[in-house]
Amino acid sequence: GDSVTQMEGPVTLSEEAFLTINCTYTATGYPSLFWYVQYPGEGLQLLLKATKADDKGSNKGFEATYRKETTSFHLEKGSVQVSDSAVYFCALTISSGSARQLTFGSGTQLTVLP
Amino acid sequence: GAVVSQHPSWVICKSGTSVKIECRSLDFQATTMFWYRQFPKQSLMLMATSNEGSKATYEQGVEKDKFLINHASLTLSTLTVTSAHPEDSSFYICSARVPLSYEQYFGPGTRLTVT
Repeated sequence: GDSVTQMEGPVTLSEEAFLTINCTYTATGYPSLFWYVQYPGEGLQLLLKATKADDKGSNKGFEATYRKETTSFHLEKGSVQVSDSAVYFCALTISSGSARQLTFGSGTQLTVLP
Repeated sequence: GAVVSQHPSWVICKSGTSVKIECRSLDFQATTMFWYRQFPKQSLMLMATSNEGSKATYEQGVEKDKFLINHASLTLSTLTVTSAHPEDSSFYICSARVPLSYEQYFGPGTRLTVT
């Protein structure tokens, strides 16, 4: 079945540090890939997405590139802020599925210290 | 982006009672909504897929008689936890899928505590 493997956390960084959260996937079809962010006590918000190989999703300084050859979708940000502290989830959906359910990774807790 | 609301945001109930959680898509019609459960510091577990006008599709291991899902309109799905027990205490999150799209928008979640 489809699955997403995320880098285990928690991750603690100082403000302005470089962030990478690794994400790899296995899928039976051709997936669309997503990063979601969850702030404490809240639901999930879509951070960025990519729907085909070599697409780069970007938002709020975060970027991730859909790499089909390595089945990866790593999240990066050049300079993190305290406000980026949250849990980040990598996810995929198979575009051919009728329900288009999301399959989530386990989540990575990020804490940014001032 | 699209907005999905949930109500209530938190609820405390006694063991043996039932609790209803509402999920609404505020600015789009959603033929498909999803219900997730999230344990502390863990990922989201898909409980069921809610389809407007038809029965929900439950994931393996989820008791359909305990977690009743109704999707009576294109903007509202409800999850009723029947005869709640302390082990049902959790964070329940819904999402709504934009028609003809892969995009899902999530509600803010409902914290259920069963005493």
